[in-house]
Amino acid sequence: GAVVSQHPSRVICKSGTSVKIECRSLDFQATTMFWYRQFPKQSLMLMATSNEGSKATYEQGVEKDKFLINHASLTLSTLTVTSAHPEDSSFYICSARAPVSGGEKLFFGSGTQLSVL
Amino acid sequence: GNSVTQMEGPVTLSEEAFLTINCTYTATGYPSLFWYVQYPGEGLQLLLKATKADDKGSNKGFEATYRKETTSFHLEKGSVQVSDSAVYFCALNKNQAGTALIFGKGTTLSVSS
Repeated sequence: GAVVSQHPSRVICKSGTSVKIECRSLDFQATTMFWYRQFPKQSLMLMATSNEGSKATYEQGVEKDKFLINHASLTLSTLTVTSAHPEDSSFYICSARAPVSGGEKLFFGSGTQLSVL
Repeated sequence: GNSVTQMEGPVTLSEEAFLTINCTYTATGYPSLFWYVQYPGEGLQLLLKATKADDKGSNKGFEATYRKETTSFHLEKGSVQVSDSAVYFCALNKNQAGTALIFGKGTTLSVSS
């Protein structure tokens, strides 16, 4: 079945540095990818919708200059957390929409646990 | 707005016990409802879904029925196994083109032998 690879699975960084998270669709082309964030004991919250070749659409309250999303190809979207601070520590998950017979299906990466010291 | 509420975890059961994880939703219109499962170290996987009222989704012994009158989509399994230990997420889709899923907080299930 379709697989989404997300890398890295865990990253620890110093405050003020930038971190890039990659999300790849391995055996299908994903015109749309979604980025979610989950704080402990909270829901998965949608951050942004990423469309290949165009600017991402951010949800209300998500800073586009802080969370840079690039979807330059049909198989890769990246999320860069710029100038990370401890409050950005969270679990980030990407998902990709894949065309399947009869409709579409969403596939998820395994997530990235970001810890900012 | 649209939202999903599911029961707090963790849920700890012995093998072969009956499982219920409650999920209720708030939505305008007629959303589709989903249960996703995340096994340790893996991505979320679709477990089952229902697209209209009274539909029953089922997979791997798990079932959930779309109850519009109670706005619920409770997940059940008659006899859990150790391998069912995972985090379970209830979610809805507004069925509008280009929209993402709205998730609950997730419920951790631990099954011991």
